[in-house]
Amino acid sequence: KAGVTQTPRYLIKTRGQQVTLSCSPISGHRSVSWYQQTPGQGLQFLFEYFSETQRNKGNFPGRFSGRQFSNSRSEMNVSTLELGDSALYLCASSWLPTGHNEQFFGPGTRLTVL
Amino acid sequence: ILNVEQSPQSLHVQEGDSTNFTCSFPSSNFYALHWYRWETAKSPEALFVMTLNGDEKKKGRISATLNTKEGYSYLYIKGSQPEDSATYLCAPNTGNQFYFGTGTSLTVIP
Repeated sequence: KAGVTQTPRYLIKTRGQQVTLSCSPISGHRSVSWYQQTPGQGLQFLFEYFSETQRNKGNFPGRFSGRQFSNSRSEMNVSTLELGDSALYLCASSWLPTGHNEQFFGPGTRLTVL
Repeated sequence: ILNVEQSPQSLHVQEGDSTNFTCSFPSSNFYALHWYRWETAKSPEALFVMTLNGDEKKKGRISATLNTKEGYSYLYIKGSQPEDSATYLCAPNTGNQFYFGTGTSLTVIP
């Protein structure tokens, strides 16, 4: 069974640009969550999607958005990039969206904003 | 925002030593707690999903306990091996989202 995949793995952008990251969950998983990790910080929850609906959103500005498609693949978009958006972005998939279900993480996308 | 504290921040042990880490979190609004192992250059890997007060889970040499009334969980590693070197993350869930601690970085010296 293929794991969670994320594309691209590395990305370099400049301030003010926008970026789209993609996450393909494990086959059959309908919940996808996104996290940001910056140096010295724990993983910060961005949002969670289940059956194409955003269930929850973390404490991030509106520049961060996402969506989920009917095949459960998810994308997140960051507009008007700032230097502080440089981070590792991880997505995780699970069978159902409850906290009782094991999450499987992808390898992450390393975003550098210059 | 949930304040999740993990201690110690880092740990160096000799191969064969047993060790344990602590995860502290507010006991209110508890729904579940996950433990993850995150090795360098890899993805976080789920170790345990814990939901009930008094839960004890075990996987090989690694085990975990949960006390939801006082808001803590312990992770134990018996007879540490070099391959156990990783950062161990705990993540309480309130039913809405996960809140990750900054982790305990374990280095096992051969």
